[in-house]
Amino acid sequence: DIQMTQSPSSLSASVGDRVTISCRASQSIGSYLSWYQQEPGKAPKLLIYGASNLQSGVPSRFSGSGSGTDFTLTISSLQVEDFATYYCQQSASSLTYTFGQGTKLEIK
Amino acid sequence: QITLKESGPTLVKPTQTLTLTCTFSGFSLSTGGVGVGWIRQPPGKALDWLAHIYWNDAKYYSSSLKTRLTITKDTSKNQVVLTMADMHPEDTGTYYCAHLNSRASYSFQHWGQGTLVTVSS
Repeated sequence: DIQMTQSPSSLSASVGDRVTISCRASQSIGSYLSWYQQEPGKAPKLLIYGASNLQSGVPSRFSGSGSGTDFTLTISSLQVEDFATYYCQQSASSLTYTFGQGTKLEIK
Repeated sequence: QITLKESGPTLVKPTQTLTLTCTFSGFSLSTGGVGVGWIRQPPGKALDWLAHIYWNDAKYYSSSLKTRLTITKDTSKNQVVLTMADMHPEDTGTYYCAHLNSRASYSFQHWGQGTLVTVSS
C-alpha cells in the first residue's frame, strides 16, 4: 500500500502568516493528491484536488503544488477560520486510498 | 446540491456486525465516474479510508480490513451500505460516507456529517 507522511504533525502560527504543510508519498502518485480541512467536531472539507486544483468555493489563499512524491499545501495569509487540522490523501491507486496522519494548525 | 447522511446503530457489542447506510441526494450512482466511499475516524485520531464503490459496481477495500468489510449499492434508493463484521472496541469512532468524483481526481468532494459508533459490551 502507498503510505502518506505529513509534516509537521502540528504547527503554531499567527493570523496573517504564510504557512506550508508537506505531504510525501511512499511511491509516485502523479498528481492524484487531495487536501482536506477538518474543524473540530465537523466533517472534513475538500480544499484541493489533483494536487493543485482549488475546489469550488474555497478561498484563493489556499493553494497546492507538487507531483510524484512530494506535495505542499500553502495558506498565503492565515485567517482565524483556518485554524484546523489538515489531511492529504492519495487516490493514485484505485485499489486503495490513503490519508496522511494530519497536521494540526494552532494559533500562536 | 449534493448531500449525504449516514445512519445506523450508535452502540454495538464486540463480535457483532455493524451495518451503516449512506443515503444521498443530488447525484446518481448510475452516472459514470461517480462513487461513494466510507472513511472512519477514531476519537482524536486521523482519517482512515475503509472502502468505496463506483457506478459500475467496482468495489475496493482497505487491505487491513477487507476480510471484515462489504460494500453494496442500491441505485434506485440512492443508498450505499457498509457492513463491518466482528467489531472490536478499537473500531469505535465516527464513520463518514463521501461522494467520490473521478473528474476531481477521485477526491472525496462531498461528505456526510458522520455518525459516531461505539463498540462496547
